[in-house]
Amino acid sequence: DVKVTQSSRYLVKRTGEKVFLECVQDMDHENMFWYRQDPGLGLRLIYFSYDVKMKEKGDIPEGYSVSREKKERFSLILESASTNQTSMYLCASISTGVYEAFFGQGTRLTVV
Amino acid sequence: EDQVTQSPEALRLQEGESSSLNCSYTVSGLRGLFWYRQDPGKGPEFLFTLYSAGEEKEKERLKATLTKKESFLHITAPKPEDSATYLCAVHLSGTYKYIFGTGTRLKVLA
Repeated sequence: DVKVTQSSRYLVKRTGEKVFLECVQDMDHENMFWYRQDPGLGLRLIYFSYDVKMKEKGDIPEGYSVSREKKERFSLILESASTNQTSMYLCASISTGVYEAFFGQGTRLTVV
Repeated sequence: EDQVTQSPEALRLQEGESSSLNCSYTVSGLRGLFWYRQDPGKGPEFLFTLYSAGEEKEKERLKATLTKKESFLHITAPKPEDSATYLCAVHLSGTYKYIFGTGTRLKVLA
């Protein structure tokens, strides 16, 4: 079974802090994604990566950056956390050719 | 504009009462349609992939079908443990992009 692991289930951070969310997958997938999920808005794509050191902006990249130095790890960075970034963050891993997305357990981030 | 709409938003069923969830889509090109189950506070869990109109997939009490404009997730004789939010997503052809619906919250009462 594919396993996608996010480093934290719950995080509480202060406004202005730099926040790192880590995601690791164990199935050698090329493609990794970061989404945020908010009630009534569904999942919205922040960034995705289709190869090591390659990244593309999604629909809502403002205030975020990403890093993919190794194939199995995809990090989401909130440069200066704000209260409107309080959300559930989901990482997904997808194999080219199969296309099913496998998700991590999610990180619920609260910015105070 | 590419769009995925799920209905109803919420559904309450008695145990054993079969029903269907709808996912309608308007997209430029469909590579695949996916159904996921999401329990509260957890990440979505993959259920099915459908690639072409007329295709059907089954797993236990769930059956997913696909037409050119919509997909249905049929739940036969549901049990309380089927209570969850069911998400549908469309993978746009020629892109890495997936568009998710906002989900149907299903509650099955014992």
